[in-house]
Amino acid sequence: GDSVTQMEGPVTLSEEAFLTINCTYTATGYPSLFWYVQYPGEGLQLLLKATKADDKGSNKGFEATYRKETTSFHLEKGSVQVSDSAVYFCALSANQAGTALIFGKGTTLSVSS
Amino acid sequence: EAGVAQSPRYKIIEKRQSVAFWCNPISGHATLYWYQQILGQGPKLLIQFQNNGVVDDSQLPKDRFSAERLKGVDSTLKIQPAKLEDSAVYLCASRASGGTSGELFFGEGSRLTVL
Repeated sequence: GDSVTQMEGPVTLSEEAFLTINCTYTATGYPSLFWYVQYPGEGLQLLLKATKADDKGSNKGFEATYRKETTSFHLEKGSVQVSDSAVYFCALSANQAGTALIFGKGTTLSVSS
Repeated sequence: EAGVAQSPRYKIIEKRQSVAFWCNPISGHATLYWYQQILGQGPKLLIQFQNNGVVDDSQLPKDRFSAERLKGVDSTLKIQPAKLEDSAVYLCASRASGGTSGELFFGEGSRLTVL
């Protein structure tokens, strides 16, 4: 079945460092890909998405490019802030009406000043 | 716009007891999901509703878990009897009709501890 694999955490960085969180997927067909973020004490929220190959999703300085050839959707940010400390989840959804999300295990990011 | 509301936020019970969680989705959202998130893992789908009908409950342990969505709005997830391995955060999410598949709005979750 469809699945998502993301890098193990925690990831610990200093402020202004470059961030990469790796995500690869297995799916039949052409899924949509997402990054969700969970800040401390808050619910999951959509960070960015890409619905077809070579699409780049971006939001709040984060970017991820849908790479069909490598089945990847790595999350990047050029300069992290303390406020980016959170748990990041990669997820996919088969492109069929009503299909639910399949999540990776999550990667905890901790940014120190 | 009000978000997805869940209650209770925290619940501690003994094994073999029962518990119920309530979810009120965003107004007008036809699709509602219940996910289980065990510590250190990603959320796993338990059940998906479209209005008041079940779309997918293939991963719901039906011998102990039940869920309903009467009138296509609020939903209740029940566990009876609870086991230790049911300790988790139960997340409710909703999606607008015609919204991008996978673009879900989540509540803050209900954290269950089974002793």
